[in-house]
Amino acid sequence: ETGVTQSPTHLIKTRGQQVTLRCSSQSGHNTVSWYQQALGQGPQFIFQYYREEENGRGNFPPRFSGLQFPNYSSELNVNALELDDSALYLCASSPKGLAGTGELFFGEGSRLTVL
Amino acid sequence: GENVEQHPSTLSVQEGDSAVIKCTYSDSASNYFPWYKQELGKGPQLIIDIRSNVGEKKDQRIAVTLNKTAKHFSLHITETQPEDSAVYFCAASKVGGGADGLTFGKGTHLIIQP
Repeated sequence: ETGVTQSPTHLIKTRGQQVTLRCSSQSGHNTVSWYQQALGQGPQFIFQYYREEENGRGNFPPRFSGLQFPNYSSELNVNALELDDSALYLCASSPKGLAGTGELFFGEGSRLTVL
Repeated sequence: GENVEQHPSTLSVQEGDSAVIKCTYSDSASNYFPWYKQELGKGPQLIIDIRSNVGEKKDQRIAVTLNKTAKHFSLHITETQPEDSAVYFCAASKVGGGADGLTFGKGTHLIIQP
């Protein structure tokens, strides 16, 4: 177990709705990254938060947004849901400020289904 | 941006045999190459990583090799065991190059036959 917890584990939404996913990082980790993993694919980088600010973003539209709180926990918000947003959303924490500088500790993910 | 290709998509080997998974990357500025193992219903877990100033790294039954000139790196698992069955992902990124995140391959489903 990595100590990264995500909620909810599963949820179903309809097109056009909004969703908020939550992540508690491992103790001592100040950086949180979010990844989208479509079925049968590798994870895709959405964005990273460090010290409560977004400091890196992948190729995702602005309707994907996030927050990081003073206790380093994080939220991923997706507005105007589309069918293609159906995926496993993974949160990863790390103790360093830059993505890719070391090991990422992943949670078990939130499985989102958009109908 | 970076593009990572991974082969094969499925690999079936007999228990005790070796398994090799290969990846290529496109961005010559990438200098960090981790491998993650994902079991069913779990998040990916780092099993080994290598940086561009090293050509090979070994940890017990697992080894990774890197050829920066050819832009490819490989995962080698020897003496495979049933618990090695999982999906394996290679990834690439630039250390110190900003928060671009990891670029993952599409994964290899490794099946260990008893």
